[in-house]
Amino acid sequence: QKEVEQNSGPLSVPEGAIASLNCTYSDRGSQSFFWYRQYSGKSPELIMSIYSNGDKEDGRFTAQLNKASQYVSLLIRDSQPSDSATYLCAVNPWDSSYKLIFGSGTRLLVRP
Amino acid sequence: KAGVTQTPRYLIKTRGQQVTLSCSPISGHRSVSWYQQTPGQGLQFLFEYFSETQRNKGNFPGRFSGRQFSNSRSEMNVSTLELGDSALYLCASSSPTGDSGANVLTFGAGSRLTVL
Repeated sequence: QKEVEQNSGPLSVPEGAIASLNCTYSDRGSQSFFWYRQYSGKSPELIMSIYSNGDKEDGRFTAQLNKASQYVSLLIRDSQPSDSATYLCAVNPWDSSYKLIFGSGTRLLVRP
Repeated sequence: KAGVTQTPRYLIKTRGQQVTLSCSPISGHRSVSWYQQTPGQGLQFLFEYFSETQRNKGNFPGRFSGRQFSNSRSEMNVSTLELGDSALYLCASSSPTGDSGANVLTFGAGSRLTVL
């Protein structure tokens, strides 16, 4: 079982729709969770971080964390073609806050 | 504020050679991490340095090594290159945030290594 799992996609949504990206993790002791966006040929950039159960909103982005279910998600409202990218879920394992375990990423395609 | 700077951006080597990659972190950041990104394996943690000390190491062979200097700049070295070492090598610097003290990584543009 992979430590951080994501559906590779592609997830295709029409412009203006809500895109829902999901991630599960195996380390129950994980404390910190991150969503990075990576455009083709570019390096990952941080979109959201979340540390407590519940929702965290930042503009069009909402991160949701459920530690009991070991599940973290990212919602993108009013999706734009410029949101088309690979979204990487990352987790700090319990035994180290100094490294991230990344999922393989979900490719999002927003259709104009 | 300047970001994370990696050099060189692109390089081509042949099997058996060695390579050194350089990373300058964001000013004030003392933690530097290295990751390897390949289509098959995704992003994998190599190692992390803080104040010239390696605090974490990933599951990579001893051919992969790194170091950090007193100015927080870091280098990683891969010796006896293999075809499978072809990858994008990403450096990230971090500083603890107010939220739970977690380290948030900021990545550089990466060094793309091709081994022939």
